[in-house]
Amino acid sequence: QVQLQESGPGLVKPSETLSLTCSVSGGSISNYYWSWIRQPPGKGLEWIGMIFNSGSTNHNPSFNSRIIMSRDTSKKQLSLRLTSVTAADTAVYYCARKVPGYCSGGNCYSSLYLGFDIWGQGIMVTVSP
Amino acid sequence: DIQMTQSPSSLSASVGDRVTITCRSSQNINNYLSWYRQKPGKAPELLIYAASTLQSGVPSRFTGNGSGADFILTISGLQPEDFATYYCQQSYSSPRTFGQGTKVETK
Repeated sequence: QVQLQESGPGLVKPSETLSLTCSVSGGSISNYYWSWIRQPPGKGLEWIGMIFNSGSTNHNPSFNSRIIMSRDTSKKQLSLRLTSVTAADTAVYYCARKVPGYCSGGNCYSSLYLGFDIWGQGIMVTVSP
Repeated sequence: DIQMTQSPSSLSASVGDRVTITCRSSQNINNYLSWYRQKPGKAPELLIYAASTLQSGVPSRFTGNGSGADFILTISGLQPEDFATYYCQQSYSSPRTFGQGTKVETK
């Protein structure tokens, strides 16, 4: 059973870099797509970016060039770095796995087009002096 | 970006009720639509993906329908654990986007 666990500092100062790790247990990370998603207190969900099974990444343009995502397959870890943080970056940060691709009834679906089936418990990060 | 709009934003219901939540996308997303339930203080849980495919382990009282730009999540026989916030999410294009959420409260 695959489980995800986010870790990192709960408090980051404005203008500094937020660094989070997502540790994956119970399975490989190489064959799946992974995403980071965040949720400001009392608000909705915002997709941050994705790490593909190739290791390449794609992120939400709303973050401009502040996002760096990577993976370490040997450690089974995903990482997120968000630079130049402000109070607006205060949120619960989740890592999540995309539903694996499958074929059914003659149709095949890429993981790219499916939802997020496994989530970490989330980590609250506050940006404050 | 594709905008996802859910309605209603909140609703009041009782245990056993049939509940319907609508999600509309700002453009055609085929059936690349997922639904999630989020209980307070917890991570979202996937209920439905590909618009109508029930995620493994999710009770059959949850059904999803729709294609193109209009989608519906139906809960047939609301249970106490279903009082939560529900989100739709599109996987048609980047950036992935979520609806604003629908909070299901006790009547």
